[in-house]
Amino acid sequence: EPEVTQTPSHQVTQMGQEVILRCVPISNHLYFYWYRQILGQKVEFLVSFYNNEISEKSEIFDDQFSVERPDGSNFTLKIRSTKLEDSAMYFCASSERVNRNQPQHFGDGTRLSIL
Amino acid sequence: GIQVEQSPPDLILQEGANSTLRCNFSDSVNNLQWFHQNPWGQLINLFYIPSGTKQNGRLSATTVATERYSLLYISSSQTTDSGVYFCAVLNQAGTALIFGKGTTLSVSS
Repeated sequence: EPEVTQTPSHQVTQMGQEVILRCVPISNHLYFYWYRQILGQKVEFLVSFYNNEISEKSEIFDDQFSVERPDGSNFTLKIRSTKLEDSAMYFCASSERVNRNQPQHFGDGTRLSIL
Repeated sequence: GIQVEQSPPDLILQEGANSTLRCNFSDSVNNLQWFHQNPWGQLINLFYIPSGTKQNGRLSATTVATERYSLLYISSSQTTDSGVYFCAVLNQAGTALIFGKGTTLSVSS
């Protein structure tokens, strides 16, 4: 069964550094998403992306964050200048078609630790 | 925005017991998913169930969309069922899943 893959599985970064989290969505999917989960808390929506532009973003997704689909397969989340509170698990997800009534498929996540 | 509430927040079971987890949501939805987060943090998709009933082995789920709730049934629980179970519903714009706070299940042998 096709999967969403995320790399790296764990990223340790110094505060103030830039970090890029990478995702390869399922190949025929058109909608892409990033979610965040701070340790011990619920999963929170960050941003959705369709047709090479942001569809929606949450309050968390401020100017420090950006997303990009640099080629036909990758989807990336960049945090420009990391803060301690950015430490979290970051999940990428994708869904199949323009019809929004499709399940979202999640990757295994990247655990980001800011020192 | 849409609110998602899960109950109970914590559940402790002996191996072999059955359990029911509940998810209430505040508005009509077109997409509801149940996830199991394992001890390694992975989100395992259990069910996509905007309405009706589905079964997969020892797990089953029912969503009554008109009454705005969904139930996840776990029968003959095993220690490997331990973890956090999340319910998530699609927002009205269709652009984001809104997660509940989860139910933490601990199954002991």
